[in-house]
This record gives sequence, C-alpha cells and structure tokens, in this order.
Amino acid sequence: QVQLVESGGGLVKPGGSLRLSCAASGFTFSDYYMSWIRQAPGKGLEWVSYISSGGTTIYYADSVRGRFTISRDNAKNSLYLQMNSLRAEDTAVYYCARVPRPDLYAFDIWGQGATVTVSS
Amino acid sequence: QSALTQPASVSGSPGQSITISCTGTSSDIGSYNLVSWYQQHPGKAPKVILYEVIKRPSGVSNRFSGSKSGNTASLTISGLQAEDEADYYCCSYAGFYIPYVFGTGTKVTVL
Repeated sequence: QVQLVESGGGLVKPGGSLRLSCAASGFTFSDYYMSWIRQAPGKGLEWVSYISSGGTTIYYADSVRGRFTISRDNAKNSLYLQMNSLRAEDTAVYYCARVPRPDLYAFDIWGQGATVTVSS
Repeated sequence: QSALTQPASVSGSPGQSITISCTGTSSDIGSYNLVSWYQQHPGKAPKVILYEVIKRPSGVSNRFSGSKSGNTASLTISGLQAEDEADYYCCSYAGFYIPYVFGTGTKVTVL
C-alpha cells in the first residue's frame, strides 16, 4: 500500500526549531520527487518546498527560504523538513506529498499531515 | 508569486453541474498546461482529481472534468452528489524557482 506518514509536529515557541519527518512505503521512494505543502488553520494550501529524487535540486517558497531546509534519506525512505526561526504564521498542518513525474508538477499521494503550532 | 484566484464558494443541487474557475496570470496558467485540481474533505488530506488540465487519475469519477482558456482554468463537476461537498483547490506550475502556486480554494456546497 502506497503511503506517506508524517511525524514530528508539536508546539514550539516563536524563534524555536522543529524537524518534521515523512516515512514513505509501498513504492520506490528514491525514484520520486517530493514536496512539503502546508495549510494554516482555516486557510488554503501553500506549497513550501520541493526536492528532486536524488536531492540535488531543491526549491523553497519565499515565505520559508533561509529558515526551512528540506532533505531526504533514500536509504531510509524518508523526507525531512528542518524548520528554524519559527514564527506564528508558520502554524499549520504540514503535508508531505509525492510528485508522480518530474514534469508533471502535481501531487498524487499525500500524507495525513503533521500539526505545527508556534505560540508562546 | 500570488495565489491563484478562485471563488470562495459555489453551490448546486444534486444532479446539477457546477463550474469552479481558477484565474492566474500569463506566468503560470497562461503559459503551461500544468494545472491540477485537489478535493479536500474536512479534516482530511487533499486528493488529486485532475492533472495536466484535463487528465483524471485512475479511480476518479468522470463527473470531474477540466478545461483552460487563457489565464483561467476551470473544474466542472457534473451530476453533483452529496459526497462532492468539499473544498477544491487548483494548482499550477509557476516557473523555475517557484514551481507551484495554489488557488485560494472554493467550498462546494450541495444544497
């Protein structure tokens, strides 16, 4: 069964750090580009970051560039998002999602989401 | 990169057809046939229902169809059913360094 499972969410103070993980199963993780997408409470979807299958190509949304770092460990079938200098506006459910083909620019498999709350 | 513009809400009766618009710019929707649509039920993760403007993933009902004209993409749901009540988001490729931009989202209500 193709599946993505996020973990690592929680409550953190402004300025703090958190690392999200996304465990992939049921498919050859190393073949796929991956992304993080977030959704603030009651708001819409916002693309956060994207990493190529080998980890050599990485992009970030302007809102997180310089504070967040995406990475992956293909040997562990895992995707990560290191979030530093967190702000209240980073409060959201964070989803990891699979890109079915590099030229497709869509997301075919989503995790259930990890909740990040930034509050003092 | 600004979010794509969608109507906040659209409603229809069972059996009717509704259309949700998604307006971007010549830098995103207008330049690429790389628009996807997602359905999200409350408390659930989004699910892709269309990609590359008109293509449906396996298992998605053919009641969902897509189109594009200029800088605007559209999602049509025909034969509206109670289970279609959800939030819908469009997404477009937007260029090399900011590859994705989502729409503002549309809440579909089945009357």
